[in-house]
Amino acid sequence: GAVVSQHPSRVICKSGTSVKIECRSLDFQATTMFWYRQFPKQSLMLMATSNEGSKATYEQGVEKDKFLINHASLTLSTLTVTSAHPEDSSFYICSASRAGGYTFGSGTRLTVV
Amino acid sequence: GEDVEQSLFLSVREGDSSVINCTYTDSSSTYLYWYKQEPGAGLQLLTYIFSNMDMKQDQRLTVLLNKKDKHLSLRIADTQTGDSAIYFCAESRRDSGNTPLVFGKGTRLSVIA
Repeated sequence: GAVVSQHPSRVICKSGTSVKIECRSLDFQATTMFWYRQFPKQSLMLMATSNEGSKATYEQGVEKDKFLINHASLTLSTLTVTSAHPEDSSFYICSASRAGGYTFGSGTRLTVV
Repeated sequence: GEDVEQSLFLSVREGDSSVINCTYTDSSSTYLYWYKQEPGAGLQLLTYIFSNMDMKQDQRLTVLLNKKDKHLSLRIADTQTGDSAIYFCAESRRDSGNTPLVFGKGTRLSVIA
């Protein structure tokens, strides 16, 4: 079946540094990738929608300069958290839309110390 | 609006049936999904139902959809301790192509041995 590989699964970084999260579609082409954020014991909140070869569309309240999304190819989308702060600590999940439905990555737990 | 509501907690005894309920507001939803999330993990698609269906059964899982009341339920028969997790209801309007899923807050199912 369709698989989205998300890396890293867990990362701890210092405040002020940047962290890149990658999502790769392994056996299909993901023209659209959705990035979600999940706080503890809460639901998944959509951050942005990225389409291959174009700029991402961000949800209201999400800083595009802080959460940089790049979708340069049909199999790779990246989310970079720039100048990370402790309040950015969260669980980030990507999801690719395809004809058969939605495929989710396994998530990245980011802890900023 | 696109709100999806779920009760937050459910506790059942092993061997009993679990019923998790969900209500949604977007009448144009075409697909409704149930996802399972275990601690620290990503989302696992359990099942989905198309909006023109009333019921779908897959082994221990039964999904009921009342489109008039915008009510969706997931029944897990013979609930096991391994079913303990958070269950998310989600909706999409896939007729418009690249639309993201909208998630409920999730129902935490606890199975008592």
